[in-house]
Amino acid sequence: AQSVTQLGSHVSVSEGALVLLRCNYSSSVPPYLFWYVQYPNQGLQLLLKYTSAATLVKGINGFEAEFKKSETSFHLTKPSAHMSDAAEYFCAVSHSGAGSYQLTFGKGTKLSVIP
Amino acid sequence: EAGVTQSPTHLIKTRGQQATLRCSPISGHTSVYWYQQALGLGLQFLLWYDEGEERNRGNFPPRFSGRQFPNYSSELNVNALELEDSALYLCASSFSVRKETQYFGPGTRLLVL
Repeated sequence: AQSVTQLGSHVSVSEGALVLLRCNYSSSVPPYLFWYVQYPNQGLQLLLKYTSAATLVKGINGFEAEFKKSETSFHLTKPSAHMSDAAEYFCAVSHSGAGSYQLTFGKGTKLSVIP
Repeated sequence: EAGVTQSPTHLIKTRGQQATLRCSPISGHTSVYWYQQALGLGLQFLLWYDEGEERNRGNFPPRFSGRQFPNYSSELNVNALELEDSALYLCASSFSVRKETQYFGPGTRLLVL
């Protein structure tokens, strides 16, 4: 079984400050890991993914994440927050065990950016 | 390139009725996934269709069903609607050779009264 824990349901940062959203996963086999962003009343947009290549993954809008197997973590960072980053962020895990690729999501972290 | 499209955007039904939600994947994608995002329950996997076949389903009752058509579009049917079926239903699609990377549509918001 696989699971995802996102620490902090709500994170507030000042505009220009570092964004750090935490994600820890549990998986019995090597995982695929994803970060998605959801703006109000919209679907999910893929920010970045880890699929067993480089452990430091760069995504869209200046976001990046680092896969740390020893810590079972995949935290999302951005050096400088922008007002447009305000949204809800979801970490997700999947793997190809039993040929199934469905995503298991964390509960989400709502990011607020203070001007 | 067009993304995943879903229709309708909003759907209002009464308890006991049936709802049909539709999804068109990105061109070239053969896998379609359905997820439910209900208030307080988060995002939960419903169904996975690949090459016209149901490949896996989540922990939902049989009144949630669907199908995938030869053009890879998909339909989700929810029978005997209950109040707790009110949610945002998200469809995602992926390539046949990179099934792990899913791209989501804007969703259908279902309200059951």
